[in-house]
Amino acid sequence: GQQVMQIPQYQHVQEGEDFTTYCNSSTTLSNIQWYKQRPGGHPVFLIQLVKSGEVKKQKRLTFQFGEAKKNSSLHITATQTTDVGTYFCAGRAAGTASKLTFGTGTRLQVTL
Amino acid sequence: DAGVTQSPTHLIKTRGQQVTLRCSPKSGHDTVSWYQQALGQGPQFIFQYYEEEERQRGNFPDRFSGHQFPNYSSELNVNALLLGDSALYLCASSWQGASYNSPLHFGNGTRLTVT
Repeated sequence: GQQVMQIPQYQHVQEGEDFTTYCNSSTTLSNIQWYKQRPGGHPVFLIQLVKSGEVKKQKRLTFQFGEAKKNSSLHITATQTTDVGTYFCAGRAAGTASKLTFGTGTRLQVTL
Repeated sequence: DAGVTQSPTHLIKTRGQQVTLRCSPKSGHDTVSWYQQALGQGPQFIFQYYEEEERQRGNFPDRFSGHQFPNYSSELNVNALLLGDSALYLCASSWQGASYNSPLHFGNGTRLTVT
């Protein structure tokens, strides 16, 4: 079955440093979504990418979808303590319309 | 505008028992998906309901079953509970319409502990 892996599993940064998480799917994706889950909370939708090579920005967050639509990345510039949480990518395999498979997640810790 | 609501928030059950979890979708949403999230892991897809039918199912045994009602609310039932069923159960709603790409809106989850 489809597998979605993320690296790293965990990253600890000082506030102001940059952070990147990488997402890799075993199958080609029709689209990819990113979610953030704060400690003790539930996943919250951040963004969706659909086109091959697509790049989207949300303030300090930059999201990319790979040319082959099998990988994606999230880059945070100048992290803040409010960025703390676990970031999940989630993708739908091409041809499977409804099942959204979540990645393994990257937990980000930011300290002053 | 109410978001996704789940009940109960916490539940403790004994091995072999049965449990029912409930979910009301966000207003305007017609599709409900259920996910199981073990501690420190990503949500695992259980199944999705649309128009009162199970549209797709993940790799979960038949002990996991569900239902969607005409008002779009949904229930997740788990029979013959195992210790390994202890997890956070997340309900997510979305609006399918003509697109399967709608983002998911999650509820706060039900924390199930099986002893």
